[in-house]
Amino acid sequence: NAGVTQTPKFRILKIGQSMTLQCTQDMNHNYMYWYRQDPGMGLKLIYYSVGAGITDKGEVPNGYNVSRSTTEDFPLRLELAAPSQTSVYFCASRAGHAEAFFGQGTRLTVV
Amino acid sequence: AQSVTQLDSQVPVFEEAPVELRCNYSSSVSVYLFWYVQYPNQGLQLLLKYLSGSTLVKSINGFEAEFNKSQTSFHLRKPSVHISDTAEYFCAVTGEGSQGNLIFGKGTKLSVKP
Repeated sequence: NAGVTQTPKFRILKIGQSMTLQCTQDMNHNYMYWYRQDPGMGLKLIYYSVGAGITDKGEVPNGYNVSRSTTEDFPLRLELAAPSQTSVYFCASRAGHAEAFFGQGTRLTVV
Repeated sequence: AQSVTQLDSQVPVFEEAPVELRCNYSSSVSVYLFWYVQYPNQGLQLLLKYLSGSTLVKSINGFEAEFNKSQTSFHLRKPSVHISDTAEYFCAVTGEGSQGNLIFGKGTKLSVKP
């Protein structure tokens, strides 16, 4: 059981470039999440999904987009990368009201 | 909507001393509460959870937390800490009918000194 898998683990982007952070879970969870973690700020919710075809904005959605075409995959798209998007990104999934399972994170630097 | 406040950003403590990490939440509906631990350069791991039933919940490594509805709190405690407990701890909340929204506090860094 792989759990939640995120790729890539590290990435350096230039200002204005685009990229997609991949997230896959093999636990058949209905809920999936994207968070960003900045020092001293905890985890901020970017987007979440309650099932395939359904997504909703979290606390800090500006500059990001998501899609959920399958139960397993929940990619996060950054368009026109900015230095403010330098962060560590975590994907998570859970079933119902149970605990969330997290991926190992993607460390993104925008220069 | 739910929110979480972790009252201490850093907690230094000596080995074998007791510790309490504080968490208060705000919600207008029934809540489900979680404590996660994050070791350096790793993802988050579940430490313990309150879903229903007994208000005192315990982890396998000696931590416990008590759900207090009147105080809207879910404080984390350990009677005797080890060096290996040094990590960042996050409190999280979701609520009944919240459409899956899972909100985290800003975290508390626990530093255990010899």
